[in-house]
Amino acid sequence: GQQLNQSPQSMFIQEGEDVSMNCTSSSIFNTWLWYKQEPGEGPVLLIALYKAGELTSNGRLTAQFGITRKDSFLNISASIPSDVGIYFCAGLTSGTYKYIFGTGTRLKVLA
Amino acid sequence: EPEVTQTPSHQVTQMGQEVILRCVPISNHLYFYWYRQILGQKVEFLVSFYNNEISEKSEIFDDQFSVERPDGSNFTLKIRSTKLEDSAMYFCASKSQGLIGKNIQYFGAGTRLSVL
Repeated sequence: GQQLNQSPQSMFIQEGEDVSMNCTSSSIFNTWLWYKQEPGEGPVLLIALYKAGELTSNGRLTAQFGITRKDSFLNISASIPSDVGIYFCAGLTSGTYKYIFGTGTRLKVLA
Repeated sequence: EPEVTQTPSHQVTQMGQEVILRCVPISNHLYFYWYRQILGQKVEFLVSFYNNEISEKSEIFDDQFSVERPDGSNFTLKIRSTKLEDSAMYFCASKSQGLIGKNIQYFGAGTRLSVL
């Protein structure tokens, strides 16, 4: 079945550093969503992407929809302690209702 | 801001018992979903529901599972005879049909199911 591989699996960074994570697949997607999940909570949407090559920002977060439609990346600039959490990508292919989630990137920010 | 609400937040049950997890999706949304997340793992799609019927389901969603929209506001997931491996967080999500915010799912805070 379809799989989304996220990397890195986990990151430990210093406050103020920039972060980059990505999601890759062998399948083509027509929508990419990036979510953040904190302990005991549901995923919260960060950014939605709809077109190949699209670059979208939400505050310190920037995400891009890969040209091949098989990948996406998320950047966080100038990280702060509250950025801690697990970041998931999710992809949707046309003709389906089924969102596929990535394996997640666990981010820890050291003050 | 409208949100998806799930109850209970934590459900403890004995193996073999039936459980019903409840969700109230965002009021003008038309697509509804259930996902499962085993501790420390990724979020896994279970089922999508539209126009009062299942539109898609995963291989996880076997005969032990069923979904229902009993009225205009609730969306439920029933597990008929729980197994130990059903222990997980269960998330409900909903999505509007409109072009604004299209394809965006909004998630509830989840129900933690513990099967003993």
